[in-house]
Amino acid sequence: DIQMTQSPSTLSASVGDRVTITCRASQSISTWLAWYQQKPGKAPNLLISKASTLESGVPLRFSGSGSGTEFTLTISSLQPDDFAIYYCQQYDSYSFTFGPGTKVDIK
Amino acid sequence: QVQLVQSGAEAKKPGASVKVSCRASGYRSKSYDINWVRQATGQGLEWMVWMNPDSGNTGYAQKFQDRLSITRDISIGTVYMELSSLRSEDTAVYYCATSPSGRHLRYFDYWGQGTLVTVSS
Repeated sequence: DIQMTQSPSTLSASVGDRVTITCRASQSISTWLAWYQQKPGKAPNLLISKASTLESGVPLRFSGSGSGTEFTLTISSLQPDDFAIYYCQQYDSYSFTFGPGTKVDIK
Repeated sequence: QVQLVQSGAEAKKPGASVKVSCRASGYRSKSYDINWVRQATGQGLEWMVWMNPDSGNTGYAQKFQDRLSITRDISIGTVYMELSSLRSEDTAVYYCATSPSGRHLRYFDYWGQGTLVTVSS
């Protein structure tokens, strides 16, 4: 199985900050990568697919980039609603693995 | 709008089986798969299995292949996930989630509310 890692594991930031989360795959996955946001007690919410395609209804302050083995999720100006855990997920091959998550909390 | 409605919380003893249901409605295309993803408390997400409700085609994570079964009841638009030989490490919230059908489309665009399965003696 492809292993996914994320850094940092926790990120403390303030409203208005630019935030970047990195996701790495153990082998090339082209652009078959998705990003999710999860809030406590809720199901994950799909933000981005195919590394950089923003899902309908997702604010434009979210963006994704990368290909191969290294990817980033950027929030251009952090808003109060953005404090959450973010997961990347590869869907190049079984077993469609997720990264361990990055918690974005209030500084 | 897409809705995935799951069955309620379950409490099971080690060695038992659990069956969780998921009813999907409102997906704009008929070409979608139902997946099951689980999350232990405070832990990350783990994909388990997919099924296409129309064709019945399935795909399993190797880790669960021996004790996981996914079935469907077309008449009521429901997919079932049954996990057997439960152990304490299976305590988790189990989510069903849709993905578009097809190669390189296994990202999860809609999610159910989750079903807590607790395994304890």
